[in-house]
Amino acid sequence: EPEVTQTPSHQVTQMGQEVILRCVPISNHLYFYWYRQILGQKVEFLVSFYNNEISEKSEIFDDQFSVERPDGSNFTLKIRSTKLEDSAMYFCASSDVRADRSSYNSPLHFGNGTRLTVT
Amino acid sequence: AQRVTQPEKLLSVFKGAPVELKCNYSYSGSPELFWYVQYSRQRLQLLLRHISRESIKGFTADLNKGETSFHLKKPFAQEEDSAMYYCALSSIGNQFYFGTGTSLTVIP
Repeated sequence: EPEVTQTPSHQVTQMGQEVILRCVPISNHLYFYWYRQILGQKVEFLVSFYNNEISEKSEIFDDQFSVERPDGSNFTLKIRSTKLEDSAMYFCASSDVRADRSSYNSPLHFGNGTRLTVT
Repeated sequence: AQRVTQPEKLLSVFKGAPVELKCNYSYSGSPELFWYVQYSRQRLQLLLRHISRESIKGFTADLNKGETSFHLKKPFAQEEDSAMYYCALSSIGNQFYFGTGTSLTVIP
């Protein structure tokens, strides 16, 4: 069964440094997402991406964050200048073709996550 | 605004006992509800979705629009059911909103 893959599994960085988290969504999926989960807290939506542009983003996704689909297979999340509070598990997800408004949405398929530790 | 509430952060049951993980939601339109499960050190996986109306690993969940609930139930808990369970709501545009999760421990 195809899976969403994320690399690295664990990233340690110093405050102020840039990090890039990488994801390879399932190949025929068209919607891509980033979520994060701070230790002990809920899974929070960051951003969704469709047709090579951001379709929705949360308040968390400020100017320090960006996403890119550089080559048709990878989907990356960049944090320009990391802060201590960016330490979290970051999950990439993808979903199938967008459903019509009269029908139902496709479920998300998640990667294993990247644990980001900012020191 | 969309909101998913899972009132129990931790839930422990004995093996063979019934289990119910609660989920309530608020949404102005017609949502789609899901349960995701996260076993230790593994990814979030789809467990079931309300439109499927099927039983997965013995779990069922019924959407109750009157009570705005989507509780997850299993009549006889097994040790392998121990995991983190997340209720999620999907709105138009394939946006997903997750609850805070319930950690289920099945005691042998």
